[in-house]
Amino acid sequence: DAKTTQPTSMDCAEGRAANLPCNHSTISGNEYVYWYRQIHSQGPQYIIHGLKNNETNEMASLIITEDRKSSTLILPHATLRDTAVYYCIVRGDQTGANNLFFGTGTRLTVIP
Amino acid sequence: GAGVSQSPSNKVTEKGKDVELRCDPISGHTALYWYRQRLGQGLEFLIYFQGNSAPDKSGLPSDRFSAERTGESVSTLTIQRTQQEDSAVYLCASSFGGGSGKTQYFGPGTRLLVL
Repeated sequence: DAKTTQPTSMDCAEGRAANLPCNHSTISGNEYVYWYRQIHSQGPQYIIHGLKNNETNEMASLIITEDRKSSTLILPHATLRDTAVYYCIVRGDQTGANNLFFGTGTRLTVIP
Repeated sequence: GAGVSQSPSNKVTEKGKDVELRCDPISGHTALYWYRQRLGQGLEFLIYFQGNSAPDKSGLPSDRFSAERTGESVSTLTIQRTQQEDSAVYLCASSFGGGSGKTQYFGPGTRLLVL
């Protein structure tokens, strides 16, 4: 799986949009970009994923650059409950690559 | 609908004892994964089951670790002769099929403490 690079930490004011960047410059054509988050003492929670096109769901939007080498997760109106570690993961169909590789992620702190 | 469930939620054991951790995947999900997360660290892949295929055991750290899955339902992760370094949160995930486009959904984890 391609490696990802994320900032270690970010702050965001409550009610504002949180924009979390991720670099995945070695991504290959069949690899998806996934975002998960992990709130303290809980299992990882799926947020969104995409291949080429931008995606939006009830939780967030995912913006993938045209060259697919980076992406941004957008939480449109951050709340205190969005404080968590956010993981950007790329995953392909290579034989044996059945797992998700969670790096260190970005620790997002939403400030009142 | 019901998500992935795991039991027990917490387990304290003595060094050298065996433990069994249980995972109930989402109904209909053919793929099941076990991960380990040590305190303050990322997830380590342990094992993957997909349908009737041979499991991918490439992440199991030693022969003290084993896992079984009954059909496309419950899975049990067994750790024999536990060591203190086995202390971690053990997470289970399931997905509808394997492959890169299949979203994995995680359970709450079992927190294992080996004294």
